[in-house]
Amino acid sequence: DTAVSQTPKYLVTQMGNDKSIKCEQNLGHDTMYWYKQDSKKFLKIMFSYNNKELIINETVPNRFSPKSPDKAHLNLHINSLELGDSAVYFCASSQAGLAGTNTGELFFGEGSRLTVL
Amino acid sequence: GQQVMQIPQYQHVQEGEDFTTYCNSSTTLSNIQWYKQRPGGHPVFLIQLVKSGEVKKQKRLTFQFGEAKKNSSLHITATQTTDVGTYFCAGLSDQAGTALIFGKGTTLSVSS
Repeated sequence: DTAVSQTPKYLVTQMGNDKSIKCEQNLGHDTMYWYKQDSKKFLKIMFSYNNKELIINETVPNRFSPKSPDKAHLNLHINSLELGDSAVYFCASSQAGLAGTNTGELFFGEGSRLTVL
Repeated sequence: GQQVMQIPQYQHVQEGEDFTTYCNSSTTLSNIQWYKQRPGGHPVFLIQLVKSGEVKKQKRLTFQFGEAKKNSSLHITATQTTDVGTYFCAGLSDQAGTALIFGKGTTLSVSS
């Protein structure tokens, strides 16, 4: 059983298109995240949700819209894709995610590689 | 905002040599975590350090958290080809409303 699963694993699309990436975790965690990893391997936090509530939104363009229908799912929709959106997007989850508490380890999905042509 | 700097960016060693990566934060951390990402893989948690001056060992890996809780290091003794990958430190600020911030990673290559 995969703890954090993302689909699709690969996405190749044209500029201007809209695409979605789905993420599900079966660990019973309260907090889920989206991280973006660029070609230089830099892992940058995009969003964090705690129990379906958005708690962190790190200056991400509003073309990116996360949605958490329940605490086990966190999806990412991207409108009007641009070349600079090409990256690997990682979903992750943890038991807790608020500063001042023990975050605990992050469990990452296998990543979704997005290529915008 | 909070920044986590990590050096070196790349390191190549001969199998059997030691390796160290260093991590520095611009702010005091409540904890620091280390992750390993194999080529083509996803980050996998290695360890978390919480206490000032803490030292933890996992077989050939030694992790340290600085006294001021602003820096950390990972040392690998006698590297093996299985140690190849990118090692990330990730720090959690003690300020409310922040997420785990990753360093840019150190990519280790090992030749036999």
